[in-house]
Amino acid sequence: GAVVSQHPSRVICKSGTSVKIECRSLDFQATTMFWYRQFPKQSLMLMATSNEGSKATYEQGVEKDKFLINHASLTLSTLTVTSAHPEDSSFYICSVQSSGTGNQPQHFGDGTRLSIL
Amino acid sequence: GIQVEQSPPDLILQEGANSTLRCNFSDSVNNLQWFHQNPWGQLINLFYIPSGTKQNGRLSATTVATERYSLLYISSSQTTDSGVYFCAVTLYNFNKFYFGSGTKLNVKP
Repeated sequence: GAVVSQHPSRVICKSGTSVKIECRSLDFQATTMFWYRQFPKQSLMLMATSNEGSKATYEQGVEKDKFLINHASLTLSTLTVTSAHPEDSSFYICSVQSSGTGNQPQHFGDGTRLSIL
Repeated sequence: GIQVEQSPPDLILQEGANSTLRCNFSDSVNNLQWFHQNPWGQLINLFYIPSGTKQNGRLSATTVATERYSLLYISSSQTTDSGVYFCAVTLYNFNKFYFGSGTKLNVKP
């Protein structure tokens, strides 16, 4: 079954709207989650690392005030795209790393397709 | 940062054919995964393979960490294998993924 639940799967909204995307770890507690963005016909690019109980770590070029990340519990991280504009239209996907010692695989949500009109 | 290169970028196969996809990376890694992204965007985890060889049905993968490459083998391809295949790696002491540019596979009936 699914390890990571991401919601909603698709959002269509007007320019200027703020959109919240949820990422839930279903099988284990996750102190760290990751948010990626994928533009059409391109690869996935890491936006930020979400840390439970502390501030997220953003990749270079990603606006912190634009993409707000909250990781208030060990099973939930949220990404809020504030005042979204057409250029923010993209596929957003989160991932969770399995718990346990040593190297562990990452599991991805099904993604959220965001379309800003 | 680390460079992750995949080849070929595009691949067209006739159903039943075999293929090999390659992933080269420029630094030592402690995690490597192969994914299949279906037309709906879902990333399907195929293999977690930082080193060695694994097989799962018609698919198998080999990573030679010392030579910084990984191979994904698809045998007896089916139309449902179509989509984009990504490899992704993480560096030691960092657990964020760096994705390759992907191989777009089209299997024709």
